[in-house]
Amino acid sequence: AQSVTQLDSQVPVFEEAPVELRCNYSSSVSVYLFWYVQYPNQGLQLLLKYLSGSTLVKGINGFEAEFNKSQTSFHLRKPSVHISDTAEYFCAVTPSGGSYIPTFGRGTSLIVHP
Amino acid sequence: NAGVMQNPRHLVRRRGQEARLRCSPMKGHSHVYWYRQLPEEGLKFMVYLQKENIIDESGMPKERFSAEFPKEGPSILRIQQVVRGDSAAYFCASSQGARETQYFGPGTRLLVL
Repeated sequence: AQSVTQLDSQVPVFEEAPVELRCNYSSSVSVYLFWYVQYPNQGLQLLLKYLSGSTLVKGINGFEAEFNKSQTSFHLRKPSVHISDTAEYFCAVTPSGGSYIPTFGRGTSLIVHP
Repeated sequence: NAGVMQNPRHLVRRRGQEARLRCSPMKGHSHVYWYRQLPEEGLKFMVYLQKENIIDESGMPKERFSAEFPKEGPSILRIQQVVRGDSAAYFCASSQGARETQYFGPGTRLLVL
């Protein structure tokens, strides 16, 4: 079984500041890793995913994440946030073999202030 | 190409009534997944269906909940005799294949009074 821990339930930040949203996972097997964004009253949209290869993954809207196997982390970063980045962000993992059913973290609410 | 469609977007039911949630996958997608999101929690997997077949229902409550994905028409998540604890957002996702990226719908927010 897999588990995902998003260490911060809420991250307030000022516009144009950098941000990092933390994600740690636990798994007895190798995994694929994902970050999703959820805008108010909408479904989840895939930001980026790590399947294999380079540990630095670039996604949409200027976000990137780095897979660190030794620390079992997959932190999400953006060098300069916009007001429009205000949303809920979910980290998720799936086992790399077998079922593709993701396990989600509880989410981090990113609040960008002007 | 329309995305995943869910309806209704909001549904209010009284305790004991039935709730029917519909999901139309993206065109060309034959795999459908249902998730439930409780307040301030992440999504929890409920059931995975592929046209007319339930592949994995390990996250589905044993009683009152059922899901189907008929050959024609949308996938339906049915909750019988709803209770207040069923109040949540229910999301549907679809994919082209079993291990392909899932695309999510906007969700149905169920409120049980």
